[in-house]
Amino acid sequence: DAGITQSPRYKITETGRQVTLMCHQTWSHSYMFWYRQDLGHGLRLIYYSAAADITDKGEVPDGYVVSRSKTENFPLTLESATRSQTSVYFCASGTGQGAFGGNQPQHFGDGTRLSIL
Amino acid sequence: AQSVAQPEDQVNVAEGNPLTVKCTYSVSGNPYLFWYVQYPNRGLQFLLKYITGDNLVKGSYGFEAEFNKSQTSFHLKKPSALVSDSALYFCAVRELGDNYGQNFVFGPGTRLSVLP
Repeated sequence: DAGITQSPRYKITETGRQVTLMCHQTWSHSYMFWYRQDLGHGLRLIYYSAAADITDKGEVPDGYVVSRSKTENFPLTLESATRSQTSVYFCASGTGQGAFGGNQPQHFGDGTRLSIL
Repeated sequence: AQSVAQPEDQVNVAEGNPLTVKCTYSVSGNPYLFWYVQYPNRGLQFLLKYITGDNLVKGSYGFEAEFNKSQTSFHLKKPSALVSDSALYFCAVRELGDNYGQNFVFGPGTRLSVLP
């Protein structure tokens, strides 16, 4: 079935370690997004990508790295994890700009719950 | 820059009663408005959107929302609440013509509890 898949669903790691969260979508959407969800802050955009090899910062990019070598994948890497990065991370995709794309909703994965000890 | 407010952290309603979840927004131009629902341990699920046209928009699971330009509001409604509607609801806005990637703004969320 078409959709957006995040892995792992749960991850526990230690401060200072590198961790990569995976996101894969089967819709061929041009845009992909990474958000973090924290109590009291709602959803905050970390990074987004408009197409393969095109990425840009969102509201809270510090400490995170992204890449997008293929349209369907958009991994998020925490290069040296800190406790403040404990959160639930959501990947989303959307068709983006254009006559019919600009008013389309984003579609979300089920999230990765990341705990950093 | 656009912004979204959901003035109630929590809304409680009895099963069978009508429900309203409030959302107000701020944009400098014309808005695209969206409602999403989040169930426990799941991602956000799209419910409905307002782009243009009729101010009353109908969506999934019997939900509807009313766009009010003068009050800059986009309240979510349902005539008869179900216990299964209990979830976290997010309002979102982006501005027509604005950067799709960077300027899709979500509200803080409202937790709806439907009591049996």
